[in-house]
Amino acid sequence: QVQLQESGPGLVKPSETLSLTCSVSGVSINSYYWSWIRQPPGKGLEWIGYIHHSGDTNSNPSLRSRLTMSLDTSKNQLSLNLRSVTPADTALYHCVRDISRPGDFYYFDYWGQGALVTVSS
Amino acid sequence: QSVLTQPPSVSAAPGQKVTISCSGSSSNIGPNYVSWYQHLPGTAPKLLIYENNKRPSGIPDRFSGSKSGTSATLGITGLQTGDEADYYCGTWDHSLNNGRVFGGGTKLTVL
Repeated sequence: QVQLQESGPGLVKPSETLSLTCSVSGVSINSYYWSWIRQPPGKGLEWIGYIHHSGDTNSNPSLRSRLTMSLDTSKNQLSLNLRSVTPADTALYHCVRDISRPGDFYYFDYWGQGALVTVSS
Repeated sequence: QSVLTQPPSVSAAPGQKVTISCSGSSSNIGPNYVSWYQHLPGTAPKLLIYENNKRPSGIPDRFSGSKSGTSATLGITGLQTGDEADYYCGTWDHSLNNGRVFGGGTKLTVL
């Protein structure tokens, strides 16, 4: 059974870096693409970016300049760093298994419950 | 402003049928598969429909999906109070460097 669990600080100060980790169980992260998706309070879903162990990555142009995603295959974890955050980055952040092949996206099948991150001084 | 357009809300009585539309363009829905997600408050979003009209194991056949041109539709029959949730369509967009995109979400109320 595939399970994803996000973790990280729930409160980040403006201009600092938001850092989240997603622990994956039930499957090797090497076998799939992985996306991060966020949902600001009262708003819809926003795709942040995807990463694959082959080095294939892509991200939302609106976040790309502040974003770093990585994989730790020894721990079967993925990580997200978002720099220079503002209150607009306050959201529930989900890690998600991204069913894709190079050049083709199909769907998201397993989602973590999400980590709520508030950006506030 | 979401790339895909969904109605903000729909409603129907228990036992009735409802459809939720998702409108896109020739760079996203037109050439690509559409998927649908159900999001109940306090839970992780759940995959309802993938590859336009396929249901994952465990999703009842009350849920259906279709696609025509640059639009897709989610149908739910035999509405239950437990179906009250937000529903999102998703795909990817060639004009956005193949990034994944979502609709703004539709709130389903079962009256």
